Amino acid sequence: RKEVEQDPGPFNVPEGATVAFNCTYSNSASQSFFWYRQDCRKEPKLLMSVYSSGNEDGRFTAQLNRASQYISLLIRDSKLSDSATYLCVVNLNQAGTALIFGKGTTLSVSS
Amino acid sequence: DTAVSQTPKYLVTQMGNDKSIKCEQNLGHDTMYWYKQDSKKFLKIMFSYNNKELIINETVPNRFSPKSPDKAHLNLHINSLELGDSAVYFCASSHPSGDPEAFFGQGTRLTVV
Repeated sequence: RKEVEQDPGPFNVPEGATVAFNCTYSNSASQSFFWYRQDCRKEPKLLMSVYSSGNEDGRFTAQLNRASQYISLLIRDSKLSDSATYLCVVNLNQAGTALIFGKGTTLSVSS
Repeated sequence: DTAVSQTPKYLVTQMGNDKSIKCEQNLGHDTMYWYKQDSKKFLKIMFSYNNKELIINETVPNRFSPKSPDKAHLNLHINSLELGDSAVYFCASSHPSGDPEAFFGQGTRLTVV
């Protein structure tokens, strides 16, 4: 079983749509969770951290379910500029451990 | 002011050559990493350095060797390059305590011909 699994998509949605991405992770000792965004031919950048209580940043909402080892990202009112690959990321929070990335979910928002 | 910078941005070289990719971070982070992103866009950790010690060494060929002259630098040296080494290599850094957000360099697109 892969450490971090995501539906690769692509998700093709019109502007204004609501879209949800899901992710599961295999290591129950994982402590930190993130969503990163990667634009074509660019480096990954942090979109938002994910907390058990859920957190929201504008049109983006992230949720974590530790019991199910499941992470989600909801994007409301999609914009053309949201088109990118969204990477689910986990970390064990032990010194020197690296972020483990999922393969990413590709989103394409069209007008 | 670039936080994580790596050079070169593009590298085209022949099979069998030896090449190095340099990485520097000015964030004062303790840990630096090298990731490889293959043609299928999967980002896979290769190495991690914490305070000049190798912490993670994934099952990469020993032709790849990370070298850290100081906390701000982690260079990647590759011997006897093969066609399958063609990929984008990303350097990153983070501070392990708290939320270890990683900051990435722009990537080095390596093409082996």
